[in-house]
Amino acid sequence: SQQGEEDPQALSIQEGENATMNCSYKTSINNLQWYRQNSGRGLVHLILIRSNEREKHSGRLRVTLDTSKKSSSLLITASRAADTASYFCATRSNDYKLSFGAGTTVTVRA
Amino acid sequence: GAGVSQTPSNKVTEKGKYVELRCDPISGHTALYWYRQSLGQGPEFLIYFQGTGAADDSGLPNDRFFAVRPEGSVSTLKIQRTERGDSAVYLCASSLSIQTVNTGELFFGEGSRLTVL
Repeated sequence: SQQGEEDPQALSIQEGENATMNCSYKTSINNLQWYRQNSGRGLVHLILIRSNEREKHSGRLRVTLDTSKKSSSLLITASRAADTASYFCATRSNDYKLSFGAGTTVTVRA
Repeated sequence: GAGVSQTPSNKVTEKGKYVELRCDPISGHTALYWYRQSLGQGPEFLIYFQGTGAADDSGLPNDRFFAVRPEGSVSTLKIQRTERGDSAVYLCASSLSIQTVNTGELFFGEGSRLTVL
C-alpha cells in the first residue's frame, strides 16, 4: 500500500514559472523525502525534511511540512525544461521502510 | 561501484518461467531495498535487507517472490512461475544503514524492466 498521495497528478507550466505540488500521508513519520524520476530512469533524492522541521530549502527547491495536517509541499521556483519529470514524496516511519506516493508528473514548456 | 547497478536492464520472459534480477549496491551500504513500480505508479515496497538478513519482507506479494543477499552486498530477486501481472520495473536502492532513521536517503538503480508475455 502507498502511504503518500500527491496532488495534482499532473502539472504543466511555462518555463520560468513556479511549480507547486502537495503530498498527504496517513501515519506518523520520522522524516519525509522528495524524489525526482526522469522518464525510464531511477529515482533521485532531492531533499529530506525531518518531522521536527517545518521548512527547508535547497537551491530552487522549498519544502514545507505540516505534521498536524500530515501534509507536505514541494515548490520548484523558476522552473526549467530540465525539471520535467515525475516527483514523488516518500515517508519514513519507525519501521525503516520508505513508502512512496503515486507521484506528480511535471511538464515544463519552453 | 559508483552507483547502484541493476542487471538485466530489460527482461522479456514467458508466463510460467523463472526470473532472477540482480542488484549491486553502492560499496559500504549495508541497507538494500527492492521496490516494484508499475506504469504511472509510485514505487511499491517489496523487501529490505540490513546486512545479509531480510529485515522486512512484508511487501513480497506471494511466495513466488524471494530475495537473497548471501554476503551482505549483491542481492538477487527471484520470481518463480512468472505471471503477466508481474510485469513492472523492479527497482533496487541502497543506503548507509537502516539505523539512520532521521536521514536514510536512498540511492536507486536504473531498474530492471520485466515483461511477462
